[in-house]
Amino acid sequence: GAGVSQTPSNKVTEKGKYVELRCDPISGHTALYWYRQSLGQGPEFLIYFQGTGAADDSGLPNDRFFAVRPEGSVSTLKIQRTERGDSAVYLCASSSGQSSYNEQFFGPGTRLTVL
Amino acid sequence: ELKVEQNPLFLSMQEGKNYTIYCNYSTTSDRLYWYRQDPGKSLESLFVLLSNGAVKQEGRLMASLDTKARLSTLHITAAVHDLSATYFCAVVGRGKLIFGQGTELSVKP
Repeated sequence: GAGVSQTPSNKVTEKGKYVELRCDPISGHTALYWYRQSLGQGPEFLIYFQGTGAADDSGLPNDRFFAVRPEGSVSTLKIQRTERGDSAVYLCASSSGQSSYNEQFFGPGTRLTVL
Repeated sequence: ELKVEQNPLFLSMQEGKNYTIYCNYSTTSDRLYWYRQDPGKSLESLFVLLSNGAVKQEGRLMASLDTKARLSTLHITAAVHDLSATYFCAVVGRGKLIFGQGTELSVKP
């Protein structure tokens, strides 16, 4: 079956613009995670959905970042008024079940560049 | 706050020799993952270690977990060029994965 997919694969935008990043999880996976990976660093947690609701959004850096998952499947990460420091690879992962210990499967990521 | 530290951060390996990467974490967790990441690619799961004393092996890689010492090791046997990549360990903390900084491995002939 298909794995986690993310679109676009690359996004270049100008400082101050709004961007949306999309994640399609593995079919049937109820949990969905967003991580951000800056150059030379390990991924950092942003937000976790269980079904349609955000179970933990403690990793979102500020109120410019917002994510939704309205039907419990596809998720969109939205960044307002982008800043150069937002440049990174944004990774999405999904897992089955409700336990936080279920293995997470990662998508290919979206590379965001803010000029 | 759960922190995960890897060392070394960079490792230049000679083909055929053995090496070890260390992963320390700061608070109790009973599940640890090792991932591989090639340049420009996403994370590939290598091992899931579930309990104290767990050992898993796949090809030239062997991972172990000591939950009492809060330490995991990734041992590389007879390094080959194909192993060149960045390796991350990650620990489950409060429902999310906390990653180490990564260890960049380079295998030279």
